[in-house]
Amino acid sequence: DTVLTQSPALAVSPGERVTISCRASESVSTLMHWYQQKPGQQPTLLIYLASNLESGVPARFSGSGSGTDFTLTIDPVEADDTATYYCQQSWNDIFTFGSGTKLEIK
Amino acid sequence: QVQLQQSGAELAKPGSSVKISCKASGYTFTSYYISWIKQTTGQGLEYIGYINTGSGGTNYNEKFKGKATLTVDKSSSTAFMQLSSLTPDDSAVYYCARDRGYPYWYFDFWGPGTMVTVSS
Repeated sequence: DTVLTQSPALAVSPGERVTISCRASESVSTLMHWYQQKPGQQPTLLIYLASNLESGVPARFSGSGSGTDFTLTIDPVEADDTATYYCQQSWNDIFTFGSGTKLEIK
Repeated sequence: QVQLQQSGAELAKPGSSVKISCKASGYTFTSYYISWIKQTTGQGLEYIGYINTGSGGTNYNEKFKGKATLTVDKSSSTAFMQLSSLTPDDSAVYYCARDRGYPYWYFDFWGPGTMVTVSS
């Protein structure tokens, strides 16, 4: 299975720019997607195919990358962005998720 | 608007089975696949498999073959997942999600989740 590695946690102040990384154990082309999960809620789609903003998602969110290295950027960060962010690859038959990056807003 | 309604929490005994439902509304049910995802604190998010809501065809993560069985009732726009031979390791929140399918395979809407607790 393709392993996706994410940093466990980040803490930033409102108004700052934050980048959340996801590294794949093998190339997944641009078949990488990002989700936000707030406490007690289901995940919601933010970015699909590495860099496409899902309808209704604020333009503060953006994604980039291809191959093995991907980034989710939030600029500027708002208090409401407190959540865990997951990457997911769909290159292989067995889709896998990263372990999540918990974002704390100071 | 797109909605996925899942059945309520389940408390089950080891060795038993549970069947979780996922009722879709707000879109043409058979135009999208439904995938199922398991979430635990320890293992995070794990992909279980998908069902082609039009044909009933399925694809499973090898890890969940024999554990999960996916079915669909097109007449009620409802997908089901049965979990069998339950053990405490099956305790988790299970999500259904609308899957954009081939060739992109990402999940654009998720249900609220169904918590399954396996305990004697």
